[in-house]
Amino acid sequence: DADVTQTPRNRITKTGKRIMLECSQTKGHDRMYWYRQDPGLGLRLIYYSFDVKDINKGEISDGYSVSRQAQAKFSLSLESAIPNQTALYFCATSDLREGPTNTGELFFGEGSRLTVL
Amino acid sequence: GENVEQHPSTLSVQEGDSAVIKCTYSDSASNYFPWYKQELGKRPQLIIDIRSNVGEKKDQRIAVTLNKTAKHFSLHITETQPEDSAVYFCAASIGSNYQLIWGAGTKLIIKP
Repeated sequence: DADVTQTPRNRITKTGKRIMLECSQTKGHDRMYWYRQDPGLGLRLIYYSFDVKDINKGEISDGYSVSRQAQAKFSLSLESAIPNQTALYFCATSDLREGPTNTGELFFGEGSRLTVL
Repeated sequence: GENVEQHPSTLSVQEGDSAVIKCTYSDSASNYFPWYKQELGKRPQLIIDIRSNVGEKKDQRIAVTLNKTAKHFSLHITETQPEDSAVYFCAASIGSNYQLIWGAGTKLIIKP
């Protein structure tokens, strides 16, 4: 089945370390997103990309960077991790095609739980 | 910018009863309103959505209603079952690029 895969699923690191979370998809979607989930705060958008040459900041991009290596790959980096970046991170994809039947449904990966000590 | 408020944060209902979760949005230009369900330890998944040109949409035991004048939309689940236990998120977006602003989530607990 076409899917969205995130690696690693769990990671514990120390303050100041560089961390990369990777996302790959076999859905053939153009749009890819990185979200952060914290209890009681819902899902907050970090970065999104509509195609390989397009990168956009979301509402909480400070302290994060991304790279869209190919249509199917979108990675999130924390250059110098800090404890308040401890969270569950989700990658998601959606279909770029417009039209009355395209709802823009997001397809999420299984999540990457990051703990920064 | 757009803001979405979701209530209640936790909802406990008896199995078989109905559950209603409400969201309000701030930007009257919002025109797409999805609901996602996230079971414990799982990824969020779309369960139903509605566009601003429709007032109500149903899919078996779930329905969503939209009141554009009051700028709120609600998720209704009837005949609740244990598998309905999850966190439910509402969201709103403006325009065709579907950039979503999310509510904080409602934890629904179904009591046996």
